[in-house]
Amino acid sequence: GQQVMQIPQYQHVQEGEDFTTYCNSSTTLSNIQWYKQRPGGHPVFLIQLVKSGEVKKQKRLTFQFGEAKKNSSLHITATQTTDVGTYFCVYTGNQFYFGTGTSLTVIP
Amino acid sequence: ETGVTQSPTHLIKTRGQQVTLRCSSQSGHNTVSWYQQALGQGPQFIFQYYREEENGRGNFPPRFSGLQFPNYSSELNVNALELDDSALYLCASSFASVSTDTQYFGPGTRLTVL
Repeated sequence: GQQVMQIPQYQHVQEGEDFTTYCNSSTTLSNIQWYKQRPGGHPVFLIQLVKSGEVKKQKRLTFQFGEAKKNSSLHITATQTTDVGTYFCVYTGNQFYFGTGTSLTVIP
Repeated sequence: ETGVTQSPTHLIKTRGQQVTLRCSSQSGHNTVSWYQQALGQGPQFIFQYYREEENGRGNFPPRFSGLQFPNYSSELNVNALELDDSALYLCASSFASVSTDTQYFGPGTRLTVL
């Protein structure tokens, strides 16, 4: 079945450094959503991207959908300890498919 | 606060037993999806219910079954529990069953099978 890979699987950064996670698909995606799951918590919706080449920003977070709609990225500028968690890209077909996730650790 | 609630919070069962997990959707939402999240993994889609009917199913065996009630709350039933069923079970509600709709997740039920 369709699978979306995320890289890296784990990322440790010093507080204040930037962070990027990438989501790659072998097939064209109709849309992509990003969720964040804090340790011990549940996934929380961040953003949805629908259009080719779309870029959306939420404060320090920048989300991008590739021109071919086969990849997406989430970039966090100047990470803070509150950014700790696992970031999932989620694509939707007839169901919601979660990517493999990137676990972010921020070292104070 | 998402408004989605799940019960119980934690549950311990033994292999071969049956379990029922419950989910109350957010007000105004008519669609509930269930996910299984093993430790260190991403959530895996089990199935979705829309207006009391199953509306899609992931790669899970028939011993995973569900119900949705007229108030749109939902149950997940798992029969003949296996050790590999130990996981966090998440339900998520959405306004509609369309693929672009945002899902709001509950806090989950942690199931341990011994």
